[in-house]
Amino acid sequence: QVQLQESGPGLVKPSETLSLTCTVSGASISTYDWSWIRLSPGKGLQWIGHMFSNGLTNYNPSLKSRAIISVDTSKNQFSLKLSSVTAADTAVYYCARDMSSGWNNWFDPWGQGALVTVSS
Amino acid sequence: DIQMTQSPSSLSASVGDRVTITCRANQSISKFLNWYQQKPGGAPNLLIYGTSTLQTGVPSRFHGSGSGTDFTLAISSLQPEDVATYYCQNSYSTLYTFGQGTKVEI
Repeated sequence: QVQLQESGPGLVKPSETLSLTCTVSGASISTYDWSWIRLSPGKGLQWIGHMFSNGLTNYNPSLKSRAIISVDTSKNQFSLKLSSVTAADTAVYYCARDMSSGWNNWFDPWGQGALVTVSS
Repeated sequence: DIQMTQSPSSLSASVGDRVTITCRANQSISKFLNWYQQKPGGAPNLLIYGTSTLQTGVPSRFHGSGSGTDFTLAISSLQPEDVATYYCQNSYSTLYTFGQGTKVEI
């Protein structure tokens, strides 16, 4: 059974960098694609970006190049860094595994989520 | 971006009622539509993928249908454990987008 667990600071100051890590158990991180998604009251669910199993990444253009996803295969973890944060980045951040069939892609499973608040 | 609009934003129904949630895309997304259920305090869980395929373990009272721009999630007989927020998700484009959610209460 694949399980994901987010970890990282719950409070980040404006203009600083948000950093989160997702630890994967039950599957090799090199076998699948992985995503970060966030849920905020103002914007609902927003896909942030993903890392393919080959190490390539793709991001939501609305984040204006502030997001970086990286992987640490030795720890079976992948990470999110979001720079220059503002209050609008306050959200529950989820990591999830990408699954696909043909051209359809979905997310399963998800981590339990990490609340990150941006405030001074 | 492909915009996904769900309706209603919330609904209240009785146990045993048939419940229908609609998800509309602002352009055709073929059948590249998935549904998630998020119970209070929990993470979203995959419910249906590819418009109509139930994820393993999902009760048969859930049914997904549609194509193009209009999709429906139906619960044939609402149960107390179905209290949740339901989200649709488009995967037609590589910029995945979600509906704003439909909160189902009893």
